[in-house]
Amino acid sequence: NAGVTQTPKFQVLKTGQSMTLQCAQDMNHNSMYWYRQDPGMGLRLIYYSASEGTTDKGEVPNGYNVSRLNKREFSLRLESAAPSQTSVYFCASSDSIAGGTRNEQFFGPGTRLTVL
Amino acid sequence: KNQVEQSPQSLIILEGKNCTLQCNYTVSPFSNLRWYKQDTGRGPVSLTIMTFSENTKSNGRYTATLDADTKQSSLHITASQLSDSASYICVVSAYQAGTALIFGKGTTLSVSS
Repeated sequence: NAGVTQTPKFQVLKTGQSMTLQCAQDMNHNSMYWYRQDPGMGLRLIYYSASEGTTDKGEVPNGYNVSRLNKREFSLRLESAAPSQTSVYFCASSDSIAGGTRNEQFFGPGTRLTVL
Repeated sequence: KNQVEQSPQSLIILEGKNCTLQCNYTVSPFSNLRWYKQDTGRGPVSLTIMTFSENTKSNGRYTATLDADTKQSSLHITASQLSDSASYICVVSAYQAGTALIFGKGTTLSVSS
């Protein structure tokens, strides 16, 4: 039982390049999330997927797209990377997004992205 | 506006000492409050979760308290160890449309020998 896995662990891009961050969970969770974490800013929600087949914008969605490929996998794509997207990206999953104890989120190890 | 404020921003203590981290929130309607521990270079891991009716919960040397009337929570660490060096994040869950979690910015704890 690996929990939440993310690939790659590290990535360096040049401005304008594109890439996809991969996330998978083996806990049979319905909901999945992408966050970015910057120094002094805490975790900020980029996009989330309440259930398979649905996606919604979070607090900072500009410059990103997501795909909920199936119940297990949720990918984050940067179409044209910018230096402002240099950050640590975390994927998380939970049983539900609704209020209550079922929305406890389990986090992956993170992807450290640098855009030059 | 739903907000979670944590203090102090950072803290340095000697190994073996106790410390208390604070979390104040303005989240409504309140569902539950969690404390996460995030080691450097890792993802956050849940320590405790408390609902409206709970005012104390322990996890080993970690004890969280909740005062729903004043909308304050604290995380007390007893007999600190070097491995407690991490960021501690307070997260409040609200009953609302969409995703319900509001994250604090965290307190960075450094335990020195």
